[in-house]
Amino acid sequence: GENVEQHPSTLSVQEGDSAVIKCTYSDSASNYFPWYKQELGKRPQLIIDIRSNVGEKKDQRIAVTLNKTAKHFSLHITETQPEDSAVYFCAGGGGSYIPTFGRGTSLIVHP
Amino acid sequence: DTGVSQDPRHKITKRGQNVTFRCDPISEHNRLYWYRQTLGQGPEFLTYFQNEAQLEKSRLLSDRFSAERPKGSFSTLEIQRTEQGDSAMYLCASRGGGAETQYFGPGTRLLVL
Repeated sequence: GENVEQHPSTLSVQEGDSAVIKCTYSDSASNYFPWYKQELGKRPQLIIDIRSNVGEKKDQRIAVTLNKTAKHFSLHITETQPEDSAVYFCAGGGGSYIPTFGRGTSLIVHP
Repeated sequence: DTGVSQDPRHKITKRGQNVTFRCDPISEHNRLYWYRQTLGQGPEFLTYFQNEAQLEKSRLLSDRFSAERPKGSFSTLEIQRTEQGDSAMYLCASRGGGAETQYFGPGTRLLVL
């Protein structure tokens, strides 16, 4: 089955800096890679996703890049704000789509 | 609220008791997933329904766990003879046919004493 590794587990940045979270996956058949943001005590919410036929996708301050050859994808957040502080999860999967989630990255943005 | 809903939001039970959780997906979504999440971990897949059919079940899932989706709408997850290791957040998610995006419910937080 799919194995998704996520790094780092904790990321601390100053407001205004950029943050990058990286994930690797094992199953070459995986073709859909979402990123979720989970605030304390709340449900995971989709913030951006990318499909395997695209190398990069951007939505305002958030972007995701995908390298299918190397089997890794990354989340980029620019101009971070304190409200970006949360746990971020990547996931991979394909076929009938049973996603495998990474262990999460706790992002702390210091004002 | 037209999103995914779960009930109850919190459950405290004693070891050995049975518990049942309910998930109501987004109305037009035919696919429903159950996950378990513990502190510091990502959601861990438990089981998956397409309409009323249970198509996938995690090999890690104990036989004390059972899930149903009798009419292809809401789903229930039952845990029999609960153990302290069952303490976790149980998340439900749904998605529509032809789309990969999953929408999560708020979860049911279970504490087994």
